[in-house]
Amino acid sequence: QSALTQPPSASGSPGQSVAISCTGTSSDIGGYNYVSWYQQRPGKAPRLMIYEVSKRPSGVPDRFSGSKSDNTASLTVSGLQAEDEADYYCSAYAGNNNKVFGGGTKLTVL
Amino acid sequence: EVQLVESGGGLVQAGGSLRLSCAGSGFIFSSEWMSWVRQAPGKGLEWVANIKEDGSAKYYVDSVKGRFTISRDNAKNSMYVEMNSLTVEDTAVYYCATEIWYRFDHWGQGTLVTVSS
Repeated sequence: QSALTQPPSASGSPGQSVAISCTGTSSDIGGYNYVSWYQQRPGKAPRLMIYEVSKRPSGVPDRFSGSKSDNTASLTVSGLQAEDEADYYCSAYAGNNNKVFGGGTKLTVL
Repeated sequence: EVQLVESGGGLVQAGGSLRLSCAGSGFIFSSEWMSWVRQAPGKGLEWVANIKEDGSAKYYVDSVKGRFTISRDNAKNSMYVEMNSLTVEDTAVYYCATEIWYRFDHWGQGTLVTVSS
C-alpha cells in the first residue's frame, strides 16, 4: 500500500481537462509545500512535470498545473492531447529526508 | 544535456548481493544530491536512498536500512548502491536521479534487479 492515495485511473477526451488527486496526511502533503508530479510513459523513466505544488520545470507545457488544499494535492491537465496518455505519480516530502509516492494514476485519452 | 546511466543490474538469488552504479554527465555532479528510486514490476515508485553532494549525509527508506549502502565518487562522477541480503521484494527497476529540494529532476533509464527465491 502506497503512502499517498491516487485513483488508479482517469480519462478524458482530447481538448478536455482532467484532474488527478493525491491524498496524504498532515505529515506529508499537508505539512510541506514539497509536492511533485511525474509522468511515466510505458517502458520509460519518469519525467518531472510539477514541483513545489505548482511550479513547472522548463519544457513542460503550461497545460499542466498543480495545486494543493489541506492534505490533498491535484494535477490538472487542460486541453488533453493524445501524447498526455501515461501514468502519473505524485510525491511528497514526509520529513526526515523521507519522500513518499502515490500508487500512480493511468491517464487514458479517449 | 544531463545524462544518468545506471548499470550493474541482473539476476541474483535471495540472500545475495549486488552493486549498482550510476554515471552522471552534463552537469556538475559534485554539486547535486543524488537518489536511488525503484519500481517493482507493474507497481509504483519508491524512494530508496539518497546522498549529499559531498557524501557526508546518507538517508534510507526503512525497508532497506542495514542492508543497502549508498556511496559516491565525485572524481568519477558516479554514485553506487551496495545491496546485501536481497529478498524477492527488492526485485525492481532501480533508477538513479538528481534530487533538489525533495524532487527528482533528472532520471536515468534504470537497471533491472531480479531476485529469485
